Amino acid sequence: DQQVKQNSPSLSVQEGRISILNCDYTNSMFDYFLWYKKYPAEGPTFLISISSIKDKNEDGRFTVFLNKSAKHLSLHIVPSQPGDSAVYFCAASASGSARQLTFGSGTQLTVLP
Amino acid sequence: EAGVTQFPSHSVIEKGQTVTLRCDPISGHDNLYWYRRVMGKEIKFLLHFVKESKQDESGMPNNRFLAERTGGTYSTLKVQPAELEDSGVYFCASSQVRGAEAFFGQGTRLTVV
Repeated sequence: DQQVKQNSPSLSVQEGRISILNCDYTNSMFDYFLWYKKYPAEGPTFLISISSIKDKNEDGRFTVFLNKSAKHLSLHIVPSQPGDSAVYFCAASASGSARQLTFGSGTQLTVLP
Repeated sequence: EAGVTQFPSHSVIEKGQTVTLRCDPISGHDNLYWYRRVMGKEIKFLLHFVKESKQDESGMPNNRFLAERTGGTYSTLKVQPAELEDSGVYFCASSQVRGAEAFFGQGTRLTVV
């Protein structure tokens, strides 16, 4: 039973437009959420995070939105660039755990030039 | 500063053989995690060390998997005997502070034939 779900396995966006990646979770104990980016043959690279006490966190072109009532978060990339093409993983952790991460299955983002 | 390094990057072994994966975390990082991604699915937690102590090994699939972190520095993950379903990419991650974002290694791709 997946506690973190990324229902879109792939997404294609035109360069310069906005990319929106979505993530849903079921465990109400999760209080910290992260997005990782992964290129082929590399490990996941931390991108941005958000605590459950916030509903938005912004870092340059990347913004993460958290809707706790809907148990939903999203990552917005604007403007999208070809170098953003990668697999994006949503991850969550609970303070009561050892901060182990529970990952979604990933979304392959392709930014078309 | 060196990142998290994993060795080997690839390993192909026959069913029934033994394989040992190694992870060198970022220097000074007390928290070390092992994760696994099977068949392009989600990345799943295996276990967590704090220094040399196993903090949580709830994700270990079975007793064919043995992880150690002698001296609280590098860690090894041994699979003995390996089965076909053990194939996947094994990631190691480390963090300085529990709760902070973890830095991942490039992974070891294990193929059991």
